Amino acid sequence: QKEVEQNSGPLSVPEGAIASLNCTYSDRGSQSFFWYRQYSGKSPELIMSIYSNGDKEDGRFTAQLNKASQYVSLLIRDSQPSDSATYLCAVNYGGNQFYFGTGTSLTVIP
Amino acid sequence: EPEVTQTPSHQVTQMGQEVILRCVPISNHLYFYWYRQILGQKVEFLVSFYNNEISEKSEIFDDQFSVERPDGSNFTLKIRSTKLEDSAMYFCASAPTRSQETQYFGPGTRLLVL
Repeated sequence: QKEVEQNSGPLSVPEGAIASLNCTYSDRGSQSFFWYRQYSGKSPELIMSIYSNGDKEDGRFTAQLNKASQYVSLLIRDSQPSDSATYLCAVNYGGNQFYFGTGTSLTVIP
Repeated sequence: EPEVTQTPSHQVTQMGQEVILRCVPISNHLYFYWYRQILGQKVEFLVSFYNNEISEKSEIFDDQFSVERPDGSNFTLKIRSTKLEDSAMYFCASAPTRSQETQYFGPGTRLLVL
């Protein structure tokens, strides 16, 4: 069974702080990893993808991948109230099927 | 910027009725997907489609479901005999190449089965 686990939260951080979101996955054969943001009632919106071990930065967002420990994380620096949303971790195991976690709800407090 | 579109945005149907959900993927994309998200739950993969055939499907995608690309632009999901538990948001997604590429999601169709 291929699982993607996320802490459902809610996670609350003050405006300007760093938000840290974590995701673990069950299959060592996983090949690609994605973070999506989903506002209530809306579709998932891609934030970042990461394929190799290490860090990948894009603006205020940094994705971190550790395949040996089977986790992927997302850091949001200088968090803004507009970052308040549910963050979804998605994993691809090499085929054409993608597995999503349940998401972590983030609230940024002004 | 190109985007995936879906119609209708909302669909209400009676149990046992057939519904067809429509999607127009991004024009130069080759891979197409359907997902569902039951209210308050995670996004679940239903099916992927490439080169006019299903490439993968999940356990959810049983004989009640079918997909089709009837022309060069539309991608449809048909549920033959809807059940109450089919009530969910259905998302279409497309990707330029295969599995390691980013998928772009449409806005979704909210299906309510009464």
